[in-house]
Amino acid sequence: EIVMTQSPATLSVSPGERATLSCRASQSVNYNLAWYQQKPGQAPRLLIYGASTRATGIPVRFSGGGSGTEFTLTISSLQSEDFAVYYCQQYDNWPPLTFGPGTKVDFK
Amino acid sequence: EVQLVESGGDLVQPGGSLRLSCAASGFTFGSYWMSWVRQAPGKGLEWVANIKQDGSEKYYVDSVKGRFTISRDNAKNSLFLQLSNLRADDTAVYFCTKGAPVAGLLDNWGQGTLVAVSS
Repeated sequence: EIVMTQSPATLSVSPGERATLSCRASQSVNYNLAWYQQKPGQAPRLLIYGASTRATGIPVRFSGGGSGTEFTLTISSLQSEDFAVYYCQQYDNWPPLTFGPGTKVDFK
Repeated sequence: EVQLVESGGDLVQPGGSLRLSCAASGFTFGSYWMSWVRQAPGKGLEWVANIKQDGSEKYYVDSVKGRFTISRDNAKNSLFLQLSNLRADDTAVYFCTKGAPVAGLLDNWGQGTLVAVSS
C-alpha cells in the first residue's frame, strides 16, 4: 500500500498571500497524483490531476507540481473562499486508492 | 451537469446491516468506474471500494473486505454499497464518487450520506 503524507498539518495564511502545500508518497506514483479541496460541510472537489493539470473550472491561482514521490500545491494569492482542507491522493498503484491526511489552510 | 445523490444512511446497531444507494445523472453512468469514499467525523478521507463499468471487477479496502459489497445497476444509473456486520469504526459520511477516464481518479462527488453505528 502506498502511504501518503502531507505537510504542514495546518497552514495559517493571510488573504493575498501565497500558500504552498506538500505531499509525499512512500513510493513513486509517477504523475498520478490528485489534489482535492474540501470546505466544512461540503463534499471534496477535484482541483488538480496528473500532478499539474487543473480540473474544469478551477482558477489559475491553483497550481500543482512534482512527480515521483514529492508534490506541491500552490495557491498564488489566497482568496477568502480558499480557506479549506486540501487532500492529495495517489491513483498510480491500487487498490487501495490512498489519500494523505490533509492540510488545513486557515486564516492567519 | 453531473449529479450524484446518496441515500440510505441511518443509525444502526453494531452488527447490523444497511444498504446505501447513489442515483447518478448527467453522464453516461455505464462508461465509468464508480467508488465509495468515507469520512469519519472530524477525520480524513478513506477510499472504501470501487467497481468497474460492467461490474466485472470490484476492489475493497482491507478493513471492509468480507463485510461490504459494492454493486451497480447500469440500467437504473445506480450504485450501491451493502454494509454488513457494522462496527463503531464504520461510522462516517459515505460519498459516492464518479471515476474519471483515468481509473482511480475521482472527478465528481455526491454530498454524502451519514452512517452512524452505535448501541
